[in-house]
Amino acid sequence: EPEVTQTPSHQVTQMGQEVILRCVPISNHLYFYWYRQILGQKVEFLVSFYNNEISEKSEIFDDQFSVERPDGSNFTLKIRSTKLEDSAMYFCASSLQQDAYNEQFFGPGTRLTVL
Amino acid sequence: ELKVEQNPLFLSMQEGKNYTIYCNYSTTSDRLYWYRQDPGKSLESLFVLLSNGAVKQEGRLMASLDTKARLSTLHITAAVHDLSATYFCAVGTLNNNDMRFGAGTRLTVKP
Repeated sequence: EPEVTQTPSHQVTQMGQEVILRCVPISNHLYFYWYRQILGQKVEFLVSFYNNEISEKSEIFDDQFSVERPDGSNFTLKIRSTKLEDSAMYFCASSLQQDAYNEQFFGPGTRLTVL
Repeated sequence: ELKVEQNPLFLSMQEGKNYTIYCNYSTTSDRLYWYRQDPGKSLESLFVLLSNGAVKQEGRLMASLDTKARLSTLHITAAVHDLSATYFCAVGTLNNNDMRFGAGTRLTVKP
């Protein structure tokens, strides 16, 4: 069964460093998303992406964040200068179409630890 | 802004008992989702509810949606230990693909 994959599973970085989190969405899906979950807290929407551009972003997704689909399979989230409070689990998701059904399938997540 | 509230946040049940988790949301939406998350794992889709009065059942879990009341419920029937997990509701925003999640209900089913 097709699934969303994410790498790395765990990333440790120093405050102020740049990190890139990678996702491979399900191959025929067209809509891509990033969410984050701070330990023990709720899942928070960051950004949605369609047709090579951002379609929606939350207030969390500030200038430190960017997303890119550099090729036909990868979808990346870049944090330019990490802060301690960026430590969280980051989930990528993808969906096939934009309709009311729009079931999103989530990847296993990348745990980001900022020291 | 769409806000989603779940309650209870923590639920400890005995096996064999029934209980309901509630999910309220603040603005009109056209879809509501329930997800399960095991510790350290990703989110597993349980139900997608699209219309007022929608009811879906899978095993011991049943979800319903009342769009007029902006309320969804997840009912657990005769709980078993394997249902122990955190359950999230998520509400879709109109005309967009993104979702807003509730805080989650951490369910523990005790023997």
